[in-house]
Amino acid sequence: EVQLVETGGGLVQPGRSLKLSCVASGFTFNNYWMSWTRQAPGKGLEWVASITNSGGSTYYPDSVKGRFTISRDNAQNTLYLQMNSLRSEDTATYYCTRVRYNNHRGYYFDYWGQGVMVTVSS
Amino acid sequence: DIQMTQSPASLSASLEEIVTITCQASQDIGNWLSWYQQKPGKSPQLLIYGATSLADGVPSRFSGSRSGTQYSLKISRLQVEDIGIYYCLQAYSAPLTFGSGTKLEIK
Repeated sequence: EVQLVETGGGLVQPGRSLKLSCVASGFTFNNYWMSWTRQAPGKGLEWVASITNSGGSTYYPDSVKGRFTISRDNAQNTLYLQMNSLRSEDTATYYCTRVRYNNHRGYYFDYWGQGVMVTVSS
Repeated sequence: DIQMTQSPASLSASLEEIVTITCQASQDIGNWLSWYQQKPGKSPQLLIYGATSLADGVPSRFSGSRSGTQYSLKISRLQVEDIGIYYCLQAYSAPLTFGSGTKLEIK
């Protein structure tokens, strides 16, 4: 059974840093791209970052580029999101997601973690 | 960036009714469109990928279709357990973008 378990959330002051972790189990972690997606309270979903299976390439939207860093430790089956210079608008539930790719059907997120809440406030 | 215009924003329908939700892409995204269901207080779950392929374990009353750059999610006979918020996602090009969501309620 595929499981994605996020940890590391909490209350942090604006301008400070926080690092999220996602431990994966039930599949061969180093065969899959992984991503983070977030959801502000009462709002929709926003893609935050993706990383290739080797960790050699990463992708971000402009809203977090230069502040957030996605990384992975394939030996530990763990995905990370380092968040620096946090702003109030980064307040959200952050979901770890597994990425699937099909040559004709493209990329999609086939498994999601339970999410971890990050609150940025003074 | 590719914009995904999702409609309606909310929808109230009767049990056993047919429900359709649409997403309009601002440019060609091929079949790189997926649909997700988020039940109250839960994480999103994959319903449809590649515009038309049903994800494992998803009831057959859910289906996806494509006409040009318009994508649709259809629930053929609405059930109580289908209440929640539905999102489309384009993964054709970065930044990946979700639709704004459709909140589905039972009338």
